[in-house]
Amino acid sequence: GAVVSQHPSWVICKSGTSVKIECRSLDFQATTMFWYRQFPKQSLMLMATSNEGSKATYEQGVEKDKFLINHASLTLSTLTVTSAHPEDSSFYICSARPQVSYGYTFGSGTRLTVV
Amino acid sequence: GENVEQHPSTLSVQEGDSAVIKCTYSDSASNYFPWYKQELGKRPQLIIDIRSNVGEKKDQRIAVTLNKTAKHFSLHITETQPEDSAVYFCAANTNAGKSTFGDGTTLTVKP
Repeated sequence: GAVVSQHPSWVICKSGTSVKIECRSLDFQATTMFWYRQFPKQSLMLMATSNEGSKATYEQGVEKDKFLINHASLTLSTLTVTSAHPEDSSFYICSARPQVSYGYTFGSGTRLTVV
Repeated sequence: GENVEQHPSTLSVQEGDSAVIKCTYSDSASNYFPWYKQELGKRPQLIIDIRSNVGEKKDQRIAVTLNKTAKHFSLHITETQPEDSAVYFCAANTNAGKSTFGDGTTLTVKP
């Protein structure tokens, strides 16, 4: 089955630093990947759509300069949280789908804590 | 854009009983409706899905029904077991690829 690998699974960083999260499709190519954020006991909120070889599409209210997305290959998308602040602490999760007819496969998620 | 509403937000059932979770959507262009199960601290896992040209789909104890006219779809779990306890999310997708998720239902199955 389709596998999406996400790394790291958890990270603690200091305020003002940047953190990079990787999302890889292991056994399929993904021209599109999606990045979500999930706060405790809340639903998944789409942050942006990562497009291979082009700029990401951000949802309303998501700062593109703060959440940098790079989709340099058909199997890798990265999300960089720049100048992180405590309010950025959350569960970040990526997803991709191998074919239009398949459901999304989610990465394992990254628990970010900014101190 | 799409708006997905999910009810109830919490559901508690006795082991062996059935559980039903309902979702409504607003965008008539949505044509794919997956359901995900998320255990605490883990990633969402796809458990069943349905496309807009089908009214019902069943996989062992889990079934999903879709009423495209009324724009609502439901998840049915029969013979519930304690391991079914989790948060369940519905979602609506269009061909553009975006998933809009419901707010989730916390299901608790009491032994």
